[in-house]
Amino acid sequence: AAGVIQSPRHLIKEKRETATLKCYPIPRHDTVYWYQQGPGQDPQFLISFYEKMQSDKGSIPDRFSAQQFSDYHSELNMSSLELGDSALYFCASLRGFGTDTQYFGPGTRLTVL
Amino acid sequence: AQTVTQSQPEMSVQEAETVTLSCTYDTSESDYYLFWYKQPPSRQMILVIRQEAYKQQNATENRFSVNFQKAAKSFSLKISDSQLGDAAMYFCAYRTFRVRNSGYALNFGKGTSLLVTP
Repeated sequence: AAGVIQSPRHLIKEKRETATLKCYPIPRHDTVYWYQQGPGQDPQFLISFYEKMQSDKGSIPDRFSAQQFSDYHSELNMSSLELGDSALYFCASLRGFGTDTQYFGPGTRLTVL
Repeated sequence: AQTVTQSQPEMSVQEAETVTLSCTYDTSESDYYLFWYKQPPSRQMILVIRQEAYKQQNATENRFSVNFQKAAKSFSLKISDSQLGDAAMYFCAYRTFRVRNSGYALNFGKGTSLLVTP
């Protein structure tokens, strides 16, 4: 079965640079969630989209923005990167806003030097 | 906000033995979902098992089963016949059930690292 695709899988950036992470949900899934998992931490919710509209917002810094496109893929844009942004970024998808199970992608590991 | 607590940072089990991972949560809601996710060294988040709070029957998936105690707000995961491939970080997660405009994000516990010894 098709899974959630995230690209790139690894990304290395310098402080103050920008980064764009992409998420391609499972086919026919219309909802995307983004999570950030710092080293040794549990995943923290950043932001979610349903039918191309932002549906919920968590602890996403103002330096980050995201959107969902017409093909339901989503991009997380991160600017003025800081060392503390180094983390594993997960995207999860599901079909329908209120359905229960989120299916996670493999994650993008971002390292900020 | 709902909080999820996993009081065991690390657990160890021998191959073929049974181990139970604990999870408690705090909520004022009557309907919700609970999940156990496994995160092996690859860091992929893999759904292990889910439980709907309105169902009294405990969920089971092959060697994995839960003990859901709604009144006690407890949701433990039992792994039977442990295998080396079960070694991973296990996260307990909560999600609201009520239909509303937001708040469907997963709320994770801090995780329990499971070591499986031969």
